[in-house]
Amino acid sequence: DTAVSQTPKYLVTQMGNDKSIKCEQNLGHDTMYWYKQDSKKFLKIMFSYNNKELIINETVPNRFSPKSPDKAHLNLHINSLELGDSAVYFCASSPIRDLYNEQFFGPGTRLTVL
Amino acid sequence: GQNIDQPTEMTATEGAIVQINCTYQTSGFNGLFWYQQHAGEAPTFLSYNVLDGLEEKGRFSSFLSRSKGYSYLLLKELQMKDSASYLCGASGGYNKLIFGAGTRLAVHP
Repeated sequence: DTAVSQTPKYLVTQMGNDKSIKCEQNLGHDTMYWYKQDSKKFLKIMFSYNNKELIINETVPNRFSPKSPDKAHLNLHINSLELGDSAVYFCASSPIRDLYNEQFFGPGTRLTVL
Repeated sequence: GQNIDQPTEMTATEGAIVQINCTYQTSGFNGLFWYQQHAGEAPTFLSYNVLDGLEEKGRFSSFLSRSKGYSYLLLKELQMKDSASYLCGASGGYNKLIFGAGTRLAVHP
């Protein structure tokens, strides 16, 4: 069974489009995250939700909107896609809300904006 | 400011020992993570150091010096499967977490 799953694995789209990436974890964790890993391999935290409540919101354009319908799901919606949004987006989860714990990462979604 | 520095690339021989260094600057430092990431895959957790000193987990050990803003990951008895990127990350302040760009390690026969 996959612990943290993301769909789609690959996403190719045109500039200006709106797209969503879905994430689900079956680990029973309370906290979920979205990360962006750019072409230089920097892994940057974007958002974190604890039990459906937003607890981390880094400096991210408001075109990016996370949504957590329940604590097992954290989706990422991106409006008006730009070339610079091309990256690999990782979802992750951890048992509790602080950042002192191991995080379990999903397989990533490679987004290419043309 | 907040910053993490680690070497971009390293090479080593199968069976050898390699040390990957990481220096960090964060406000309100809490602890230091190491993750392993194989090409095209997700990062997987290796270690988290809060206190100064060396923590050993099998072939992998991680060291932290809070006063020097310095950590290293030590890999012993290198295997080909250890070829991967190793990400150093620091947690600090209130829910702040930053990662370096990773060190790409190539293990040769």
